[in-house]
Amino acid sequence: ILNVEQSPQSLHVQEGDSTNFTCSFPSSNFYALHWYRWETAKSPEALFVMTLNGDEKKKGRISATLNTKEGYSYLYIKGSQPEDSATYLCAPVNSWGKLQFGAGTQVVVTP
Amino acid sequence: EAQVTQNPRYLITVTGKKLTVTCSQNMNHEYMSWYRQDPGLGLRQIYYSMNVEVTDKGDVPEGYKVSRKEKRNFPLILESPSPNQTSLYFCASSSLRQVREGSSYNEQFFGPGTRLTVL
Repeated sequence: ILNVEQSPQSLHVQEGDSTNFTCSFPSSNFYALHWYRWETAKSPEALFVMTLNGDEKKKGRISATLNTKEGYSYLYIKGSQPEDSATYLCAPVNSWGKLQFGAGTQVVVTP
Repeated sequence: EAQVTQNPRYLITVTGKKLTVTCSQNMNHEYMSWYRQDPGLGLRQIYYSMNVEVTDKGDVPEGYKVSRKEKRNFPLILESPSPNQTSLYFCASSSLRQVREGSSYNEQFFGPGTRLTVL
């Protein structure tokens, strides 16, 4: 089992504010990092798959960076909106194909 | 429409009564996987399959069986359900990419979930 930590566990954000949170994972034998967005009563949906150190991906107001040498990724939400309220999951994949989900960061955006 | 389907969506059963949760995908994905989600524990992998007739244990396989006789289907079988298997179950699939060390996954597509209660 990979040691995957996401912090904080939850956060509350005012509408319009920007926020970010972290996924930490073992840097050894790293192959890829997945980010998923999981809204209440729905299924997780993929946001990004990242593989290269220094990679930066963007989808609308959400972006992510990756540091494979130190084993962390940040996910940023710019100008948070109520529809951004969800749990954000990261899942590193090691070079043997083991994928492990973190427990997630729950984001609540209040108007 | 590309999708992963699961049935049933909700199930209440009793201890020891065998059940099967079906999972089917129409995207010709090689990789399929089952997860359970419990409060505070995130998604934990039960079993996965890299292709037809190729299955392997995930992190919490005890009490579960799977089969992969066809590429599109990956049923989860609980031979003798117990109350500690009460959970929310997700099936997922993805295509594989070939890498130096073997294979790895593209993004996973999840089914709608099956909420199982074992009394």
